[in-house]
Amino acid sequence: GAVVSQHPSRVICKSGTSVKIECRSLDFQATTMFWYRQFPKQSLMLMATSNEGSKATYEQGVEKDKFLINHASLTLSTLTVTSAHPEDSSFYICSARDWGTGQGLREQYFGPGTRLTVT
Amino acid sequence: KQEVTQIPAALSVPEGENLVLNCSFTDSAIYNLQWFRQDPGKGLTSLLLIQSSQREQTSGRLNASLDKSSGRSTLYIAASQPGDSATYLCAVAEGAQKLVFGQGTRLTINP
Repeated sequence: GAVVSQHPSRVICKSGTSVKIECRSLDFQATTMFWYRQFPKQSLMLMATSNEGSKATYEQGVEKDKFLINHASLTLSTLTVTSAHPEDSSFYICSARDWGTGQGLREQYFGPGTRLTVT
Repeated sequence: KQEVTQIPAALSVPEGENLVLNCSFTDSAIYNLQWFRQDPGKGLTSLLLIQSSQREQTSGRLNASLDKSSGRSTLYIAASQPGDSATYLCAVAEGAQKLVFGQGTRLTINP
């Protein structure tokens, strides 16, 4: 099955620094990747949709200047949390959609997540 | 705005029982519905995907149904095992891109 990886799996950083999280589709090409965040014991909230070669589309209430998304290739999207603060501490999960089979809308494949702790 | 609700929020049952998890959504104009499993501190594992034109999907001991007109889906787990303990999330695909998730049901299977 399709595999999506994330790196790092855990990161601890100091307040005010920036952190980059990578999301890779390992065995398929993903024209679209999604970034979610999940607070403890809560569900996933979509932050932004990332399309290869174009600007990301952010959900209402998500600061695009704080959460920078780059989708430079068909297998890699990055999320950079700029000037991180303790309230940015969360579990960040990416997903990727495989359009390669020509069957139209298919399921999203999720990465294992990145636990960000800002001290 | 699409809202997805899962009931119950938590469920604890003895091993071997059959159980049903419920998911409801407010807008029936969906592309598909997916059930996921999430273990503590981990990402999501896709269990079943039901296209909007389908009524149910089965995989092993799992069976998911979809009733679009009433905005409901159920996940049936047969002969539950301790390894089934996890949080189960349902999500509806809204439009061509967006997944809207429910809050999840935290399932505990007691040996």
